Amino acid sequence: AQKITQTQPGMFVQEKEAVTLDCTYDTSDPSYGLFWYKQPSSGEMIFLIYQGSYDQQNATEGRYSLNFQKARKSANLVISASQLGDSAMYFCAMREGGSGNTPLVFGKGTRLSVIA
Amino acid sequence: EPEVTQTPSHQVTQMGQEVILRCVPISNHLYFYWYRQILGQKVEFLVSFYNNEISEKSEIFDDQFSVERPDGSNFTLKIRSTKLEDSAMYFCASSDLGRDETQYFGPGTRLLVL
Repeated sequence: AQKITQTQPGMFVQEKEAVTLDCTYDTSDPSYGLFWYKQPSSGEMIFLIYQGSYDQQNATEGRYSLNFQKARKSANLVISASQLGDSAMYFCAMREGGSGNTPLVFGKGTRLSVIA
Repeated sequence: EPEVTQTPSHQVTQMGQEVILRCVPISNHLYFYWYRQILGQKVEFLVSFYNNEISEKSEIFDDQFSVERPDGSNFTLKIRSTKLEDSAMYFCASSDLGRDETQYFGPGTRLLVL
């Protein structure tokens, strides 16, 4: 079974609009962390936002917010006021376990295209 | 802002040759990782490293791979005898103790095996 599922291979959004990128996860570990990374066409992986399984509030970082629904095991990324520079691949990832250097498991990614 | 660096950015090699990919993690980080991403596919974990030894490795990380921290700053991935299927982007990442232990990635080395 996939541990991270991103069901949207590609998304389009109009500049200045908000967009939601979906991510569902599967784990039986009560302690885990969820991450979103952005990969522009240049190839680097840029950390965007983190949500811990015990965090009571949804994480926010500037224009990025994470809609964390624990019971549904979803961790959707919301980008507000989209900009042309947001066009990239977006990966959801999970780290299982409370601490230590546990590897990240990635989803297949969603390619976001922002249209002027 | 401190960042992970990787060299070279691109490497082309012949099948069967050895390659060494280099990484300089963020200086106060304790945990180091290598991941790879075959073109158009998702990122896959290879190996994690802590306290001068391998913590965990995936099925991909077989005997042709090795990692080393030769000095206080560098972290290397060696592929002993490259195969065509080793062609991929290789990412180094590092993390520190803390609430989220976010792994920060380097810019990657794009390896092409001919």
